[in-house]
Amino acid sequence: GAGVSQSPSNKVTEKGKDVELRCDPISGHTALYWYRQSLGQGLEFLIYFQGNSAPDKSGLPSDRFSAERTGGSVSTLTIQRTQQEDSAVYLCASSGGGQGGYNEQFFGPGTRLTVL
Amino acid sequence: QKEVEQNSGPLSVPEGAIASLNCTYSDRGSQSFFWYRQYSGKSPELIMSIYSNGDKEDGRFTAQLNKASQYVSLLIRDSQPSDSATYLCAVNPGGGADGLTFGKGTHLIIQP
Repeated sequence: GAGVSQSPSNKVTEKGKDVELRCDPISGHTALYWYRQSLGQGLEFLIYFQGNSAPDKSGLPSDRFSAERTGGSVSTLTIQRTQQEDSAVYLCASSGGGQGGYNEQFFGPGTRLTVL
Repeated sequence: QKEVEQNSGPLSVPEGAIASLNCTYSDRGSQSFFWYRQYSGKSPELIMSIYSNGDKEDGRFTAQLNKASQYVSLLIRDSQPSDSATYLCAVNPGGGADGLTFGKGTHLIIQP
């Protein structure tokens, strides 16, 4: 079956513009995660969805970042008024969403965001 | 702050030898542990998961977990040049299906 898909693969934007990044998880996966990876910072967790709700938003770096998930499937990460420090690869992962923290997370190919 | 530590490397290993990658974590309550492989310019690929103390083997890969020492390791037997990549250790610090905390990765080079 298909893996996690993300779009666009690359996004170049100007400082101050808003951007939307999309993630389509593996079919049937109830849990969805957003991470970002930047040079020197490693991979950092942003937000987690179980179904359509977001029990853990603790990783969102500022109120310019928001995410939603509708229909328990596709998720959109929105960054408002982008700044140069937002430049990174944004990765989405999904898992089966069972209990106990044992879920294996599978990553999509990522969206490379460049803010000029 | 919950941390996952890895030696950044590079770790250079001759082809055919055993590569040993190590990881320590700070949160004693962590329940699940993962190793991801990441090639340059690509996204992380899950290669091993481990939840209980001891060893878990899958093909050429063996993951080892010691919760008392808060230590996770990955052994790669019969290393191949295609194993050259960055290996990320990830830990689930919470009790549910939470976001993972990642180490910064170990860059592994297999010398032909």
